[in-house]
Amino acid sequence: AQRVTQPEKLLSVFKGAPVELKCNYSYSGSPELFWYVQYSRQRLQLLLRHISRESIKGFTADLNKGETSFHLKKPFAQEEDSAMYYCALSAYSGAGSYQLTFGKGTKLSVIP
Amino acid sequence: SQTIHQWPATLVQPVGSPLSLECTVEGTSNPNLYWYRQAAGRGLQLLFYSVGIGQISSEVPQNLSASRPQDRQFILSSKKLLLSDSGFYLCAWRGVLPGGTEAFFGQGTRLTVV
Repeated sequence: AQRVTQPEKLLSVFKGAPVELKCNYSYSGSPELFWYVQYSRQRLQLLLRHISRESIKGFTADLNKGETSFHLKKPFAQEEDSAMYYCALSAYSGAGSYQLTFGKGTKLSVIP
Repeated sequence: SQTIHQWPATLVQPVGSPLSLECTVEGTSNPNLYWYRQAAGRGLQLLFYSVGIGQISSEVPQNLSASRPQDRQFILSSKKLLLSDSGFYLCAWRGVLPGGTEAFFGQGTRLTVV
């Protein structure tokens, strides 16, 4: 079975400081990994996916299969980055079914 | 465009009463559908997922059940609610887009069992 681990429940950084939200996964197959974000009073939404290798709102995440990690990084935190961040893994379960497993989330607080 | 509707937004129910939360998706067919419970410190816990009509996979043994009577309808139910069923419930569907796959979430239902 797959598992997603986010070791930090809460991360506080000062504005302008670098941010790294950690995510480790456990999955025997080839994973599809994501970061989702939930801003205050908004729906949970996709931030970025590993296959896109894109930078969204200054955030990047690199899949490291050797370390089974998918850490989210941003060089300079902004106040508007304060939100709840979830790492997620999509795994094929057979017969067209995909299981979406989320970590417990990390609350990022950017201090002005 | 694809949209997901979930209702009600809030619900207060007495212990022992039944529950029915509904989720519908528009603009897509044969979606993978999911029910999650979101709790502080516990993140998003996958409760049920479904690949098609009448096909339900349960991830966590509990007092809840799910059904998929129609392709784009997913229902979370309970015959008798417990206090521990209180929480925030989210419905989601898995979309396949040109850039990759993405989960789309409903607005959520805040359930309080009293």
